[in-house]
This record gives sequence, C-alpha cells and structure tokens, in this order.
Amino acid sequence: GENVEQHPSTLSVQEGDSAVIKCTYSDSASNYFPWYKQELGKRPQLIIDIRSNVGEKKDQRIAVTLNKTAKHFSLHITETQPEDSAVYFCAASKGTGNQFYFGTGTSLTVIP
Amino acid sequence: GAVVSQHPSRVICKSGTSVKIECRSLDFQATTMFWYRQFPKQSLMLMATSNEGSKATYEQGVEKDKFLINHASLTLSTLTVTSAHPEDSSFYICSARRWDRVNEQFFGPGTRLTVL
Repeated sequence: GENVEQHPSTLSVQEGDSAVIKCTYSDSASNYFPWYKQELGKRPQLIIDIRSNVGEKKDQRIAVTLNKTAKHFSLHITETQPEDSAVYFCAASKGTGNQFYFGTGTSLTVIP
Repeated sequence: GAVVSQHPSRVICKSGTSVKIECRSLDFQATTMFWYRQFPKQSLMLMATSNEGSKATYEQGVEKDKFLINHASLTLSTLTVTSAHPEDSSFYICSARRWDRVNEQFFGPGTRLTVL
C-alpha cells in the first residue's frame, strides 16, 4: 500500500516569513496530491492540490511543487499570517475513485 | 456546493454499548464515502471505503464486525461502533466524493466518541 511521510511535525515561523512542508510517497502509481488544512476540532479543508502531470501549482500565497522522480511534493506558504496557524496534511491518491492516504501532519504556528 | 454533515457531533457512551454515526451529503450525491479515525494530534487514518449499495471495503487491521458500515443511499452512510470500549474513543470523520469531482473528498465536521 501507499506510505506517505511528512516533515516537519511542528513548525513555527514569524509572521511574514515563509513556511515549507515536505512529503514523500512510496507508490509510483499515485497521481493526485491534495493538501488539507485542519483547525483544532474542525474538518479538514482542501487548500490546494496537484496532479502528476504538473510540476508546480500556485494559488496566491500558497504553492505546491511535485517531483515525480523523487516521489516527493512540498507545500509553500509565503507571507504567513497568524490565521495560517493550523495542522496541515498532505495526501496521496491514485486518482479517480481511489482512497487518500494522509501524511502525519504538520502543526504550523505563525507568531505575530 | 459540497456540504457534508455528521451526526452526532459528540457522543458519550458506556462500555459495551453500540453507537451509530451518520454521514450525509446535503447538496450532492456521493458515489463514495470514506470513514477515517483521528487520534489527538495524529493523522487521519482511513478505516473503510463505502460505495452505495455494496459492501464496504475495509483497510487492513480494521475489524469489519466491530465497525459496521452501511451505505444505503447516495446521500447517507452510517458507521456503527459495536460493543464500544474505551480504546475506541476517538474522533471519527467521514468524507464524500462527488460523481463529477472524483479526485476530491469533502469532509464532514467529525464525531467525537468517548467511551467510559
């Protein structure tokens, strides 16, 4: 089965700095990689995703990069704000109709 | 829209009793629903995949006789924790997939189960 690893487990940054979270996956058949943000006691919310036919995707302050050869993908948040503080999960999937396998999560704290 | 609800949001029960958790897609038909378990400060662990009208597919290590899943309609899936024990205490989250956005999953708000 798929194994997704995520680092770091905790991350603290100053407001305005950038944050980078990295994930690796084991199954080369995985082709869809979403990122979710989960605030305490709330449901995970999709913030960005990338498919394997794309190397990079950006949405305002959030970007994701994918290296299929190395089987790793990363989330980049620029100009961080206190409201970015949350737990972020990466996931890998084989695409249409298939399950998500989540990473272990990164607790991000943005210090005002 | 893609709104998923769960009921109840919190439940406390005695050891040995059974608890049913409902997951509903409110404004779309869900071809597939997923059930996850999340321990404090840990990741979402996939328990099972549920397709309407067919038996659920359980992940390795998940007891299908303990965690009964029924997906009777395209908008409702239920998870029943049978003969619950304190170690079953956890946060249970469902997600649903739309037929026209098959790569995405839309999550419910979760159910906090506490077994005394």
